[in-house]
Amino acid sequence: KNEVEQSPQNLTAQEGEFITINCSYSVGISALHWLQQHPGGGIVSLFMLSSGKKKHGRLIATINIQEKHSSLHITASHPRDSAVYICAVRVLQGGSEKLVFGKGTKLTVNP
Amino acid sequence: KAGVTQTPRYLIKTRGQQVTLSCSPISGHRSVSWYQQTPGQGLQFLFEYFSETQRNKGNFPGRFSGRQFSNSRSEMNVSTLELGDSALYLCASGIGPSGTGELFFGEGSRLTVL
Repeated sequence: KNEVEQSPQNLTAQEGEFITINCSYSVGISALHWLQQHPGGGIVSLFMLSSGKKKHGRLIATINIQEKHSSLHITASHPRDSAVYICAVRVLQGGSEKLVFGKGTKLTVNP
Repeated sequence: KAGVTQTPRYLIKTRGQQVTLSCSPISGHRSVSWYQQTPGQGLQFLFEYFSETQRNKGNFPGRFSGRQFSNSRSEMNVSTLELGDSALYLCASGIGPSGTGELFFGEGSRLTVL
């Protein structure tokens, strides 16, 4: 079992729909990142969370530390939101901290 | 403000060769971390440097190494290349150690090993 599980793996939506992407992790963490990767490889950091909720424009990220779960919401989705969304957690393993990544959620928003 | 710059963007090597990749962080950032992305394994953490010191290291063989210079620029080196080393190598910079702030990623260096 992966330490970081994302769902769904693939998501297709119509423009304007509300999108939710989920991330569950099985270990204690010091922080959680939501990342966006467009075709071609470039990665943009959307949020870094250690508790609560953050909002930036149409994007909202929440984290529940007790339940080891985070969600990324996109309101009023747009075709330009089409990308792979990756959840990453910072964990302490073997005396060293490192980022562990989920497999990503591929989002396609159709006009 | 210039972003994170990775060079080269694309390169092709043959098995057994070595490769050096470079990452110039955003001005003022002292943390650089490196990641490998492959279709099969996804993104994996390689190592992190802060103020010229390696702070953390992922589960990669000793063929993968890195360093950071006094101007915060970082290089990673892969020796004795294997076919499985073909991947997109990404670096990210941050003001503090990567657990303490936002990460800013470069566009990556795409390595093909033949």
